[in-house]
Amino acid sequence: NAGVTQTPKFRILKIGQSMTLQCAQDMNHNYMYWYRQDPGMGLKLIYYSVGAGITDKGEVPNGYNVSRSTTEDFPLRLELAAPSQTSVYFCASSDLTGKSSPLHFGNGTRLTVT
Amino acid sequence: AQSVTQLDSHVSVSEGTPVLLRCNYSSSYSPSLFWYVQHPNKGLQLLLKYTSAATLVKGINGFEAEFKKSETSFHLTKPSAHMSDAAEYFCVVSEEPGGGADGLTFGKGTHLIIQP
Repeated sequence: NAGVTQTPKFRILKIGQSMTLQCAQDMNHNYMYWYRQDPGMGLKLIYYSVGAGITDKGEVPNGYNVSRSTTEDFPLRLELAAPSQTSVYFCASSDLTGKSSPLHFGNGTRLTVT
Repeated sequence: AQSVTQLDSHVSVSEGTPVLLRCNYSSSYSPSLFWYVQHPNKGLQLLLKYTSAATLVKGINGFEAEFKKSETSFHLTKPSAHMSDAAEYFCVVSEEPGGGADGLTFGKGTHLIIQP
């Protein structure tokens, strides 16, 4: 199984440009998440989804949007890129078993905004 | 509210010697606790988890962790380090009753360096 697949792996954006980070999982997981990882800061939750058609904000949602039209896909949209959005972005998924359910992560997208 | 503190940002050990990565947490409820490992340019991978069963938890690659409620700690250990253990390690706490990973709090990570 592929697990969680993220594309692209790397991207450089100019300030004000927009882009969509793609995430797909083939494990039929209901929960999906977007995190950003900044050096020495751990992971911060941007948005999450508990199922198709349902999304909610995490800790740092400003400047981002998401949609969940299918169980498999959970794209993250940056509308007006800013240097503060330079980060490594991780998509993750888990099944519907509550607080003890582990996360399955993709390999990340490294984004630079200049 | 919950929080997690990884007490060392960097740990350096020689190959073949024991590894100790320290994690303290605070939680108002009975937490679930996790250790994840991140190798360079990769996503995080689950090493082990504690969910109120046995307090000594065994994970993959010879790692284990002990949940000590009285000390609010969940330290990660391995008897003998291998070069392939060099990576970033994250301690994670979840206390949201019935909730998913929106209730997770990540530590800031410990970078494990293995000296040959």
